[in-house]
Amino acid sequence: DTGVSQDPRHKITKRGQNVTFRCDPISEHNRLYWYRQTLGQGPEFLTYFQNEAQLEKSRLLSDRFSAERPKGSFSTLEIQRTEQGDSAMYLCASSLRGGEDEQYFGPGTRLTVT
Amino acid sequence: AQKITQTQPGMFVQEKEAVTLDCTYDTSDPSYGLFWYKQPSSGEMIFLIYQGSYDQQNATEGRYSLNFQKARKSANLVISASQLGDSAMYFCAMKRVNRGSTLGRLYFGRGTQLTVWP
Repeated sequence: DTGVSQDPRHKITKRGQNVTFRCDPISEHNRLYWYRQTLGQGPEFLTYFQNEAQLEKSRLLSDRFSAERPKGSFSTLEIQRTEQGDSAMYLCASSLRGGEDEQYFGPGTRLTVT
Repeated sequence: AQKITQTQPGMFVQEKEAVTLDCTYDTSDPSYGLFWYKQPSSGEMIFLIYQGSYDQQNATEGRYSLNFQKARKSANLVISASQLGDSAMYFCAMKRVNRGSTLGRLYFGRGTQLTVWP
């Protein structure tokens, strides 16, 4: 399988708990992105990495959110002290810098905070 | 700031007919890229087509074509010969480009739900 994978696909958690999501990009892609999508909206950018460097973070990425890509391969997104407003689909994408740089998305992780 | 506007919340088309999904954008950047993605009910975003702001010709990919009108800041997606499997949400997106290198994030519109009926 050469696509972007995300784990878990679904997560239900209670308010106040911490959650961590994982994304494995397409193997030769050096850029990795995280987006959040709520119902009826387009994806909203959270952050992106080029190799292991985090190059940009959105203001949406509050101090409860942290993302890492320690070896320039997979990435994790952690949300601490979850709130009901964090309920959304979290999408990961990867791209190969250069050319059209089109982003290929994974299936997403649907988070529900109760 | 970059902004994408998709004014059609929903569109309906009969199988085998063509359909146009509208997208307008706003940016002050001289260079940018425009993308269309399809999101079926399963949730995964599928890349369809790309248009660079300096490309002279409209992009085409199989049954998909992009009607790019730079002066009007529009980048409409045309799907020819619609199929039942085309029923999905369609998103227009934009990326900034600086000195030939894209600058990371995509800016998405709110999407258009396309329904293809037999």
